Amino acid sequence: TQLLEQSPQFLSIQEGENLTVYCNSSSVFSSLQWYRQEPGEGPVLLVTVVTGGEVKKLKRLTFQFGDARKDSSLHITAAQPGDTGLYLCAGGFGSARQLTFGSGTQLTVLP
Amino acid sequence: GAGVSQTPSNKVTEKGKYVELRCDPISGHTALYWYRQSLGQGPEFLIYFQGTGAADDSGLPNDRFFAVRPEGSVSTLKIQRTERGDSAVYLCASSSTGGSYNEQFFGPGTRLTVL
Repeated sequence: TQLLEQSPQFLSIQEGENLTVYCNSSSVFSSLQWYRQEPGEGPVLLVTVVTGGEVKKLKRLTFQFGDARKDSSLHITAAQPGDTGLYLCAGGFGSARQLTFGSGTQLTVLP
Repeated sequence: GAGVSQTPSNKVTEKGKYVELRCDPISGHTALYWYRQSLGQGPEFLIYFQGTGAADDSGLPNDRFFAVRPEGSVSTLKIQRTERGDSAVYLCASSSTGGSYNEQFFGPGTRLTVL
């Protein structure tokens, strides 16, 4: 069974602050995806990373994939209240098609 | 285009009853997934369809759970003799087999409450 550890579980910050969320596994990911979920809705795909060391940027969000493809991070610069939500990392392992999700980071950005 | 749709959005049932949850994937997506999400947790895999066949049902918790996709598009998740522990949000996702790196697109979910 593949396990993903995501940290922190909860994060409450003031508008304008920076933050980083981490996702780790003991196994190598074939691909890793970050999702954002709001209450009452399904997860929305933010980014997919597949190459070790890869860095992708989406406006104020920076996603990094570890060189060994066992970890990833999501960094948000100058957080805004609209960034509030549950951030989920999800990994694919080997040839399996299903995703294994972390337990999520509940982010609250206070105005 | 239209995203993944799921019906009903909410379902309240009594312990022991039978329920059906429906998923309509993105048009043209051949792969369809069911996940279950409990409060405060990430989604957990239940079953994956490639076309009409269940390619992997290893996540189904027991034989009360069953899913079908008879024409390779719409899928129905069926739960018999529901138990209070089945209460959760049931999410459906679809992906294009030829797409990049198995990117999955989720529907809004069905919130199931078993009283």
